Amino acid sequence: ILNVEQSPQSLHVQEGDSTNFTCSFPSSNFYALHWYRWETAKSPEALFVMTLNGDEKKKGRISATLNTKEGYSYLYIKGSQPEDSATYLCAFNPGTYKYIFGTGTRLKVLA
Amino acid sequence: GAGVSQTPSNKVTEKGKYVELRCDPISGHTALYWYRQSLGQGPEFLIYFQGTGAADDSGLPNDRFFAVRPEGSVSTLKIQRTERGDSAVYLCASSLAATDTQYFGPGTRLTVL
Repeated sequence: ILNVEQSPQSLHVQEGDSTNFTCSFPSSNFYALHWYRWETAKSPEALFVMTLNGDEKKKGRISATLNTKEGYSYLYIKGSQPEDSATYLCAFNPGTYKYIFGTGTRLKVLA
Repeated sequence: GAGVSQTPSNKVTEKGKYVELRCDPISGHTALYWYRQSLGQGPEFLIYFQGTGAADDSGLPNDRFFAVRPEGSVSTLKIQRTERGDSAVYLCASSLAATDTQYFGPGTRLTVL
């Protein structure tokens, strides 16, 4: 059974703080790792697709890194803003259409 | 362009009733997926369509669940004799091809009383 874990489950940070969270996934049969941001009552938004070991991707204040050998990815948010409040999901793709999701990290940014 | 849409956004039903959940994918996306997210869990795969056919329905929990995509666009997930354990958010996603990034709709929150 392929297991994807995310930590922490939830966190609260103050506006302006930087934060990061982790996605752990199987190091075998790796094809891609996806990060999504899911705000309440909206569609999960695709943030990044990570495919190569050592990949680092950036979108505004959000960036992500990938280590396929040890099976983890970090998501960083610099200078958190209240609009960053959401659940951040990672999805492991072993080369099929069956994404395997973590349980998500619920971020709340306090103004 | 329009993203994936799902209707209804919320559905409350009674145990034993039949429900239908609709998904309208991004135009031109041949691959369509249904996932279910139960409380405290990540989304779990239910079924994958390539065009009109269900290429993989191995995630459907039992024979009360069925999905169709008759014209290769809109899909309907059908649940018969609903049970309280069916309460969850049902997400639909679509992609150009099976290994491409999946784009999700906002989900249907199903509550079975």
